[in-house]
Amino acid sequence: GQQLNQSPQSMFIQEGEDVSMNCTSSSIFNTWLWYKQDPGEGPVLLIALYKAGELTSNGRLTAQFGITRKDSFLNISASIPSDVGIYFCAGQKSGGGADGLTFGKGTHLIIQP
Amino acid sequence: DSGVTQTPKHLITATGQRVTLRCSPRSGDLSVYWYQQSLDQGLQFLIQYYNGEERAKGNILERFSAQQFPDLHSELNLSSLELGDSALYFCASTPEGSRRMGYTFGSGTRLTVV
Repeated sequence: GQQLNQSPQSMFIQEGEDVSMNCTSSSIFNTWLWYKQDPGEGPVLLIALYKAGELTSNGRLTAQFGITRKDSFLNISASIPSDVGIYFCAGQKSGGGADGLTFGKGTHLIIQP
Repeated sequence: DSGVTQTPKHLITATGQRVTLRCSPRSGDLSVYWYQQSLDQGLQFLIQYYNGEERAKGNILERFSAQQFPDLHSELNLSSLELGDSALYFCASTPEGSRRMGYTFGSGTRLTVV
């Protein structure tokens, strides 16, 4: 099935550094979502984006819905140890929820103290 | 606790067998989605039910089926299991009716086929 191109695949950073990851697609999505998954748990929604160009923050997290509707990025500022985990982007084509999400393969964030 | 309950948490079974995974959506949510997460394929959408009716199909094999009951809980049935069906299976629910909805995922069922 179709997947989003998410990069980087993994990141090794120092605590306190800023993090940036992105997702691209060859097709248009009407909704972009960013999730975090911890071991043994399901994905947890971090930020949802519903309009092209939209920039939304959630604490130290900021995400943007690309103008072309084919990409999105997530930034994490001043990383802390609990930010460790796998981050997934997800897109949805329909506006009314009558289809599932298409996920990227994830960015594995590792923080060195 | 996300409010979406999945049982069992772990399941080990042999090839050729059939299993049923269960999901109770968050209170008030009418839509249930099933996803499969494997190392090679990542998270893949399988199927969606809304208020008891099938609404959308993704990459679901013919050996797999699902249903949503009047109390809104859902079951995913996997039959003629193969080694490659080993994966994490997640269900998610949404309140529906609005585009600005949040997908809430359960903790998943880890299926191991031996």
